[in-house]
Amino acid sequence: AQSVTQLGSHVSVSEGALVLLRCNYSSSVPPYLFWYVQYPNQGLQLLLKYTTGATLVKGINGFEAEFKKSETSFHLTKPSAHMSDAAEYFCAVSESMYSGGGADGLTFGKGTHLIIQP
Amino acid sequence: NAGVTQTPKFQVLKTGQSMTLQCAQDMNHEYMSWYRQDPGMGLRLIHYSVGAGITDQGEVPNGYNVSRSTTEDFPLRLLSAAPSQTSVYFCASRFGHRGAETQYFGPGTRLLVL
Repeated sequence: AQSVTQLGSHVSVSEGALVLLRCNYSSSVPPYLFWYVQYPNQGLQLLLKYTTGATLVKGINGFEAEFKKSETSFHLTKPSAHMSDAAEYFCAVSESMYSGGGADGLTFGKGTHLIIQP
Repeated sequence: NAGVTQTPKFQVLKTGQSMTLQCAQDMNHEYMSWYRQDPGMGLRLIHYSVGAGITDQGEVPNGYNVSRSTTEDFPLRLLSAAPSQTSVYFCASRFGHRGAETQYFGPGTRLLVL
């Protein structure tokens, strides 16, 4: 069974500071990993994903994440926070084979609310 | 393309009432799914479908029914609404069965059950 842990339900950073949102996963098979962002009263939008190949993945809006197999982590970073980055961020995992039973659906973490201080 | 659309945006129900949440996609995606989002819980998979005529249960299927008669539509039915079903419901779709494919989400339906 797969699972996702996001450390910190709320993270507050100053505008211009580094953003670091932590995500650890467990999976019995090689995982596919995703970060989604949800702005207030909207649906989820894909920021970036890791499937295979390069472990450092670049996404939209200046975000990137690094897949570290040894640490079972997929932390999201952005060098300089902007006020428009304030949103809810979700890390998700999907397993790498179709085995039915919903296993190829996404398993989400509980989310991290990112607050940007002016 | 409109992407994934959901109706209604908001709904208030009384306990015991039934209703159908509509979901449609115009991207010819095979895989469609329903999630519910609750505070502090993230999103949890309710039901999913890998193609027309094929559906299966996710993590939290109780109290919900689905059907998939066409590729485009994947309605979610609440048989007898309960206050525990107060939530935000998201429909999502992706092109294929593989977990690497990106899922695209609709704008959500906010449901309040009194």
